[in-house]
Amino acid sequence: KAGVTQTPRYLIKTRGQQVTLSCSPISGHRSVSWYQQTPGQGLQFLFEYFSETQRNKGNFPGRFSGRQFSNSRSEMNVSTLELGDSALYLCASSLGVDTQYFGPGTRLTVL
Amino acid sequence: GENVEQHPSTLSVQEGDSAVIKCTYSDSASNYFPWYKQELGKRPQLIIDIRSNVGEKKDQRIAVTLNKTAKHFSLHITETQPEDSAVYFCAASIDSGGGADGLTFGKGTHLIIQP
Repeated sequence: KAGVTQTPRYLIKTRGQQVTLSCSPISGHRSVSWYQQTPGQGLQFLFEYFSETQRNKGNFPGRFSGRQFSNSRSEMNVSTLELGDSALYLCASSLGVDTQYFGPGTRLTVL
Repeated sequence: GENVEQHPSTLSVQEGDSAVIKCTYSDSASNYFPWYKQELGKRPQLIIDIRSNVGEKKDQRIAVTLNKTAKHFSLHITETQPEDSAVYFCAASIDSGGGADGLTFGKGTHLIIQP
């Protein structure tokens, strides 16, 4: 099976802009979780979607949002970008309550 | 919410020796504990996981132990090899049957294997 894929792999944006990241899970996986990875804060959970519904949410401001489509692909949106949003954004897919498999990540740089 | 502490932040061992990384968690409801290995510029890769109904799990040179009473779990790597050099993350989550909460990660351990 193909692994988790994420697009784009790299993004450069300026403060105040918004960005949309995409994640395609492993075929058959219905759960997609998103994480932010930074050198200072490490890996932090953003939210999880299962069957098009947000099932769990981490402690991030409302500027961070997401959605999941009927084919389980997921998108994450960050509005009004801040310098501190520069990070590696990772998505992970699972069957639902099991092992999470990570994608390669999208490296977002905010200037 | 859950808090996971991981020690040490850096661990240097001679090739062939063993390495042990320790994590503690705060929420006694956590019941799933995976370990991930992340090489520079790559995605985190699951190397082993354990659930709260098991005290120990082993996969070749890698083992994980869990002490629910003390709320800590450890990763043991024996006969270390150069390719074991990476950052290792422990994590904890609650699988309540209605879906696993997000993983709460430790800050990571940079494991360096000295030749």
